[in-house]
Amino acid sequence: DTGVSQDPRHKITKRGQNVTFRCDPISEHNRLYWYRQTLGQGPEFLTYFQNEAQLEKSRLLSDRFSAERPKGSFSTLEIQRTEQGDSAMYLCASSPPPAGSGRPNEQFFGPGTRLTVL
Amino acid sequence: GEDVEQSLFLSVREGDSSVINCTYTDSSSTYLYWYKQEPGAGLQLLTYIFSNMDMKQDQRLTVLLNKKDKHLSLRIADTQTGDSAIYFCAEIYQGGKLIFGQGTELSVKP
Repeated sequence: DTGVSQDPRHKITKRGQNVTFRCDPISEHNRLYWYRQTLGQGPEFLTYFQNEAQLEKSRLLSDRFSAERPKGSFSTLEIQRTEQGDSAMYLCASSPPPAGSGRPNEQFFGPGTRLTVL
Repeated sequence: GEDVEQSLFLSVREGDSSVINCTYTDSSSTYLYWYKQEPGAGLQLLTYIFSNMDMKQDQRLTVLLNKKDKHLSLRIADTQTGDSAIYFCAEIYQGGKLIFGQGTELSVKP
């Protein structure tokens, strides 16, 4: 049983460098979400895709952030010109198409990519 | 606005009951969730409650929902050391995005 996978699990970079993270959702899941979690806080929503379409972006997602899901399967999150404030755990989640009424649309989370910006 | 609040820490003795509380803002959320996060592990969905329910029981877990006060609680009966983790409540918004609380760190002492 393959869950949501993320790569890399850890990334250390210097301020000003670009980084790219990858998320592979559970196959057949058409929705894919990106969240960011800083120490001592809950995950904060960044953006989500339904198939290849990016349907919502949070105000947290500055111009330096871009996310893609080109074929409606895996997704990438790129951060350009990283800043120390970008240091966080970046979480990806996927969910299947909405089920019938009375059932929640469960999101399955990956293990996250921990980014440290020096 | 979107805001979910929780108390940050809870310490209990093994065998006692734990009650973790949460307040939320969006009364139109169809579901409310409890997630568990253990060190080095991903977020795991523990349980959920549909917004037209007042209570849901799932083995050692009891979820209570007070829609009038926008208050959600999670009770863990017979708390074990393996229950030590951070617990997040979350509400769902249109499109499926989840808004999480800050998390409650549960510490279970033997």
